[in-house]
Amino acid sequence: SQTIHQWPATLVQPVGSPLSLECTVEGTSNPNLYWYRQAAGRGLQLLFYSVGIGQISSEVPQNLSASRPQDRQFILSSKKLLLSDSGFYLCAWSPFTPDVSYEQYFGPGTRLTVT
Amino acid sequence: GQNIDQPTEMTATEGAIVQINCTYQTSGFNGLFWYQQHAGEAPTFLSYNVLDGLEEKGRFSSFLSRSKGYSYLLLKELQMKDSASYLCAVRDSNYQLIWGAGTKLIIKP
Repeated sequence: SQTIHQWPATLVQPVGSPLSLECTVEGTSNPNLYWYRQAAGRGLQLLFYSVGIGQISSEVPQNLSASRPQDRQFILSSKKLLLSDSGFYLCAWSPFTPDVSYEQYFGPGTRLTVT
Repeated sequence: GQNIDQPTEMTATEGAIVQINCTYQTSGFNGLFWYQQHAGEAPTFLSYNVLDGLEEKGRFSSFLSRSKGYSYLLLKELQMKDSASYLCAVRDSNYQLIWGAGTKLIIKP
């Protein structure tokens, strides 16, 4: 069966510090991978998605970046955090085939507080 | 632009039935999803509709009308553990999910 891991679970970082959040998927190959952010009481905002190694699409211009160094690894980074970067960060995966009804499966999330 | 509308909050009584509505305006349509999200946790998949009509899964059912841009999630025999946010999401013509802000459902004894 497939599992998705995210770490850390919680993180408190000062403004201006760097960020690295990691997501890995087990039990599947060539998944589509996604990074979302959810502000308190809000819906999910898609930040980045990837359909393959080194292939990253950015949905929202901001001070965050994403990388996919391996097939089942997705990393979210920032060089300098802003207060507005606080939120609940969720990694998700879906099977590669785009034309079927596959839902997205979410990792446990990372709660980031920028102080 | 693309838009998903859901009520912000609903309250219902344990054992009762509740219907959560979702209306959408998106560039293309390739399916509608409902997810459940307990506070502080990740969303989990509940249902998927791509054709008009009702899909039933135990106590939960989801309905879709593509011509009206409308869906609802029906929860029967409500239990306290059903207290959560329910997210509606539509897959657009680019196969990306557009998410609603979610409906917080409060269940009272």
